[in-house]
Amino acid sequence: EAGVTQSPTHLIKTRGQQATLRCSPISGHTSVYWYQQALGLGLQFLLWYDEGEERNRGNFPPRFSGRQFPNYSSELNVNALELEDSALYLCASSLTGSQSDTQYFGPGTRLTVL
Amino acid sequence: KQEVTQIPAALSVPEGENLVLNCSFTDSAIYNLQWFRQDPGKGLTSLLLIQSSQREQTSGRLNASLDKSSGRSTLYIAASQPGDSATYLCAGVTTDSWGKLQFGAGTQVVVTP
Repeated sequence: EAGVTQSPTHLIKTRGQQATLRCSPISGHTSVYWYQQALGLGLQFLLWYDEGEERNRGNFPPRFSGRQFPNYSSELNVNALELEDSALYLCASSLTGSQSDTQYFGPGTRLTVL
Repeated sequence: KQEVTQIPAALSVPEGENLVLNCSFTDSAIYNLQWFRQDPGKGLTSLLLIQSSQREQTSGRLNASLDKSSGRSTLYIAASQPGDSATYLCAGVTTDSWGKLQFGAGTQVVVTP
C-alpha cells in the first residue's frame, strides 16, 4: 500500500513569489495535516483538513493557505514568500478526523527561498 | 499551552545497549502521544501511538509508556543496532487542540558498532 506522497521533492523560489505544494494521503484516509520544519524551530503545525473542510490552523500568517480536494488530496499555498519560509514541509494523513488515529507522514517538500 | 521537552538532545551508545528516551509534557489534557523516528532530511516514521487511557504500547524491540499524572512518556529500544541511529521525536495531541501534534525538539541517537 502506498504511503503519503508529496510533490515536488524540492522547490526553489525567490522572495515575493508563490509556492504550491501537493500531498496525496494514504488511500482511504480523509484527514490531511501540514507541518513546517524550519532549521532551529522544530516541527510546527500549520493546517488540518478533514472531509474537505479546514478544521484547525496553527499560528501562521494568512499567506499560508490550503485546500483539500474531493479525492482528499491537498495543496498548501504560500504567498509572498519570505526567506524564513525556507523549510521542510511535511504532510501527514490519518484514517479519519478522530484524534485516536495515527498520523502518517510523507517524505516532505524542501522549499528554498532565495 | 502544551510544552513538549525531550532530554537528552543527543545520545550515543554502543551496539547492543538498551536505549531510554524521555519526553515530558506540561498539559495533562493530553489525548494521545506518538513517537516518531526521523532520518536526516527525511519525513517521519510513526513508531508507536499511546492513547491517554493506555499506559504502554509495544512493537517488537520498542516499548513506550505514558504517565499522564507525571507528564512523562518514555521510549525504550531494546538491544540497539546501528540502524536505530536517527532522531526520535515525541508529539502529543491535547483535548483543546484537535489535529495539532505538538512536537518535542527530538533526541538524536547514534548507535556505534
